[in-house]
Parts: sequence; C-alpha cells; structure tokens
Amino acid sequence: AQSVSQHNHHVILSEAASLELGCNYSYGGTVNLFWYVQYPGQHLQLLLKYFSGDPLVKGIKGFEAEFIKSKFSFNLRKPSVQWSDTAEYFCAVRIYNQGGKLIFGQGTELSVKP
Amino acid sequence: DVKVTQSSRYLVKRTGEKVFLECVQDMDHENMFWYRQDPGLGLRLIYFSYDVKMKEKGDIPEGYSVSREKKERFSLILESASTNQTSMYLCAAPGDSFGEAEAFFGQGTRLTVV
Repeated sequence: AQSVSQHNHHVILSEAASLELGCNYSYGGTVNLFWYVQYPGQHLQLLLKYFSGDPLVKGIKGFEAEFIKSKFSFNLRKPSVQWSDTAEYFCAVRIYNQGGKLIFGQGTELSVKP
Repeated sequence: DVKVTQSSRYLVKRTGEKVFLECVQDMDHENMFWYRQDPGLGLRLIYFSYDVKMKEKGDIPEGYSVSREKKERFSLILESASTNQTSMYLCAAPGDSFGEAEAFFGQGTRLTVV
C-alpha cells in the first residue's frame, strides 16, 4: 500500500534557525506532491506543490521544497524560521489516476521559540 | 479556488447517536473527500465521492457511511457514534473539476462522543 512518512513528529527551533522537514513516500509511479500547513485554530492551507518540471519549488512565506525522485523524497525547507511559523506541517502525495485522493504523512509539529 | 464549508465547528454527541456531518462546496466539482485527523496519525481518508450517488471507501470506512445526493453536498454519517470516533473531521474538494489541482479543506468539525 502507498504510504507517506514524515521523519520528525515534533521539532523545536529558535527564531532565525534553518528548517528542514523530511518526507518520503512509497510509490514508484507518477505522483503529485504537496505540503500543507495548519496554524493553531485554523484550517489546512497549501504551502506549496509539485506537479512537474523544476524539482525545486517555492511556496508561500519563504518555504521551498525539493523533489528527489530517486530518493522518493519531498523535503520542506526554510532558511530562517519565525515565531509565526509555529504550526503543524503535513506532507501529502496524490497518486496519478486515483481520483484525486491525497495520502498524508503523520504530520510534524513545529514550535518556534522567540 | 473552491470554498469548502462544514456546517459545524464543534459537536458533542452521546454514544449510540446517529451523527450527520455536512459539507458543501461552492463549485460544481465531481470529487469530494472526508478525512479524519488525529494527533500522530495525520489525516486518514474515510470516504470519497467522484460524483452524485457515487462513493468509494477510503482507508478507514468502518463505522461510517456517506451520502451525496447533490453535487455540492457531501455528508458523513456515523451510524452509531462511539467514543473512538472522537476526532477532527475534515472535508475537502479539489480546486478544479478534473481533480488535478490541489485540494481545499473546510475548517473542520471537532466531534466529541461522550
């Protein structure tokens, strides 16, 4: 069965530190990849997405992610985090031609200390 | 973008009650989804629908059913609520009618079964 794995369940950083959240998926075919963010008390929002083309994608609020097909990975990065980045981050994969359903990772809770 | 609206933010129900969670999208898209979000488990797909009266089981359909009588409305039904169904429920719809764009989520319904 297809699955998505996020390596870190809870990450604690100080402001201005660099961030990298790992995401790996298990499927050998065509996929679309997403990172969603959920700020406290808010609904899920899209941070960035990869469909095709340049494997380095840029999203909102200074986030970026790199798709490495050979490693089945789609890691999220930000050079300098802010307190307002405190949220839960979800990696998701959509398998091509499976009706658009998303398979999510377990989520990573990020806490940024001011 | 599609707007997804869930009828309730918070619900408290008793064990054994029949519970209806309602979700409405403001576009005419075929696909709609119900997920359940639990700490440490991420989002898990309960059911999805790819057109009116069409449905397919997701990864955790036990104890749930769905109804799609009109394209814009997708209801999740807990036939006999149990305490292990206490959770956050999220409805989603894709941003286009082909299911190729990212998914947009409702604000969630936090259900507590006592």
